[in-house]
Amino acid sequence: GAVVSQHPSRVICKSGTSVKIECRSLDFQATTMFWYRQFPKQSLMLMATSNEGSKATYEQGVEKDKFLINHASLTLSTLTVTSAHPEDSSFYICSADGQRPWIGKNIQYFGAGTRLSVL
Amino acid sequence: SQQGEEDPQALSIQEGENATMNCSYKTSINNLQWYRQNSGRGLVHLILIRSNEREKHSGRLRVTLDTSKKSSSLLITASRAADTASYFCATSRGGFKTIFGAGTRLFVKA
Repeated sequence: GAVVSQHPSRVICKSGTSVKIECRSLDFQATTMFWYRQFPKQSLMLMATSNEGSKATYEQGVEKDKFLINHASLTLSTLTVTSAHPEDSSFYICSADGQRPWIGKNIQYFGAGTRLSVL
Repeated sequence: SQQGEEDPQALSIQEGENATMNCSYKTSINNLQWYRQNSGRGLVHLILIRSNEREKHSGRLRVTLDTSKKSSSLLITASRAADTASYFCATSRGGFKTIFGAGTRLFVKA
């Protein structure tokens, strides 16, 4: 089945540094990918929609200069948390839309998530 | 708010019992999906029900959808300890944007 790979699975960094998270669709092309943030015991909050070859669409309240998204190819989107602070510590999850009938249009395929801890 | 409402927030049952989780949403939808998340992991898609469908089955899962009430339910029959996880409903309305409910944490005791 469709697989989305997310890397790294866990990262610990110092306050003020930047962290890049990669999301790859392994066996299908994803023109659209999504980035979510999840706090402990809470639901997923959509941060932004990443479109290949164009600027990402950010949800209200999400700082685009803080969370840089690049979707340079049909199989890779990256999220960079710039100048990370302890309050940015969270679980970040990406997903890709199947977009093809045989792998489930409108079904999201999720990466395993990245746990970011900012000291 | 992005989220719909789910209840219960947490559910603890014995192995073999049925587990029912409910989800309500706010706007019209094209489809509604249920996902499962094991602790600290990504989400796994369970089942999708379209807005013109009322009930759908997949193995031990049964999903209902009532668009007039803007609600859905997920029933897991004959639960197992391995079903312990968080369950989220998610709605899609046009485009590809998917919005998640608050989730139900299910604990199945062996």
